[in-house]
Amino acid sequence: EVQLVESGGGLVQPGRSLRLSCAASGFTFDDYGMQWVRQVPGKGLEWVAGISWNSGSIGYADSVKGRFTISRDNAKNSLYLQMSSLRPDDTALYYCAKCSRGQFYYYMDVWGKGTTVTVSS
Amino acid sequence: QSALTQPASVSGSPGQSITISCTGTSSDVGGYNFVSWYQHHPGKAPKLMIYEVSNRPSGVSNRFSGSKSGNTASLTISGLQAEDEGDYYCTSYTTSRIRVFGGGTKLTVL
Repeated sequence: EVQLVESGGGLVQPGRSLRLSCAASGFTFDDYGMQWVRQVPGKGLEWVAGISWNSGSIGYADSVKGRFTISRDNAKNSLYLQMSSLRPDDTALYYCAKCSRGQFYYYMDVWGKGTTVTVSS
Repeated sequence: QSALTQPASVSGSPGQSITISCTGTSSDVGGYNFVSWYQHHPGKAPKLMIYEVSNRPSGVSNRFSGSKSGNTASLTISGLQAEDEGDYYCTSYTTSRIRVFGGGTKLTVL
């Protein structure tokens, strides 16, 4: 069974850092692009970042560019999101999603259940 | 990068058909066939309903269909059922090499 399990969320103060992880199983991880998507409470889905199968292509939403870093470790079947200079408006449920093919511009066909990040003093 | 434009809400009675529009620009919806649609219930994992404008994943009812004309993509649900209620989002890849979502549409089955 294809599965994505996010972890690393929690309560963090503004300006601090946090690293999210996504553990993948049930498919050949290094064949597929991956993405992070978030949902602010009461609002819609927002794309955060994407990474190709070999980390050769990476993209970020303007709202997180320069503060967040997406990465992957294909040997560990894991995706990461390093978040720094966190702001209250980064408070959201963060989803990890698998792309249908190697580049992150392809659609997302499998999603995790998400991990919650709360940025507050 | 601006979000794609969707109506905030649509509604219909069981058995009716509804269409949700998703309007972007030539830099996103109009420029690529990388438009997909998701059904989402808050707090749960989004579910892929349509990919690459008009393709339906296995397991998704054939009551769901997608299309595109110019800079506007559309999701049509025919034979509306109570289980179709939820939030629907479109998303597209863009010439800025990022992905953008629509603001979401809340579907209510009356």
